Amino acid sequence: GENVEQHPSTLSVQEGDSAVIKCTYSDSASNYFPWYKQELGKRPQLIIDIRSNVGEKKDQRIAVTLNKTAKHFSLHITETQPEDSAVYFCAASKGSNYQLIWGAGTKLIIKP
Amino acid sequence: EAGVAQSPRYKIIEKRQSVAFWCNPISGHATLYWYQQILGQGPKLLIQFQNNGVVDDSQLPKDRFSAERLKGVDSTLKIQPAKLEDSAVYLCASSLAIGTSRSFGQFFGPGTRLTVL
Repeated sequence: GENVEQHPSTLSVQEGDSAVIKCTYSDSASNYFPWYKQELGKRPQLIIDIRSNVGEKKDQRIAVTLNKTAKHFSLHITETQPEDSAVYFCAASKGSNYQLIWGAGTKLIIKP
Repeated sequence: EAGVAQSPRYKIIEKRQSVAFWCNPISGHATLYWYQQILGQGPKLLIQFQNNGVVDDSQLPKDRFSAERLKGVDSTLKIQPAKLEDSAVYLCASSLAIGTSRSFGQFFGPGTRLTVL
């Protein structure tokens, strides 16, 4: 079955710098890749997603890139701010059920 | 647009007791998911409904967990009897019907934090 690996598990960056989180997936049939942000004690929130027919998608300071050949996708956050501190989860999905296979999460720490 | 509603937000019970959680999805969302999230881990899917039918319950511990969505709208998840290892946050999510062009995004409720003593 599908497996999603996420790295790093913890990422600490200076405020204003960029942050990059990477995920790899095993099933080449996966065709939908969302990213969720979860602040402490809160629900996961969908922040950006990409489908397999697109290589890159951007929304203000966040962007996601997809490399289908290498089976990996990445979240890029530019000009990081304190409110970006959270755990970020990647996921992959395929098939008719669109069930999400989740990565283990990355704790992003923004240093002032 | 109202989001996914869940209740209660917190529940503390003793082991071997029973507990039930309620979820009301976003209006018009035919697909509903129950997840279990243990502290420090990602969400684990327990069961997926499409309208009032079960799409996948392969990871639901059926000896103690049950779920229903009788009218295809709101849903309940029950644990009976509870074990210590059931302590977790139970998240409900919904999305548009699977198979449609806009079916991908899953939107989560605030969750129910369950503590089993």
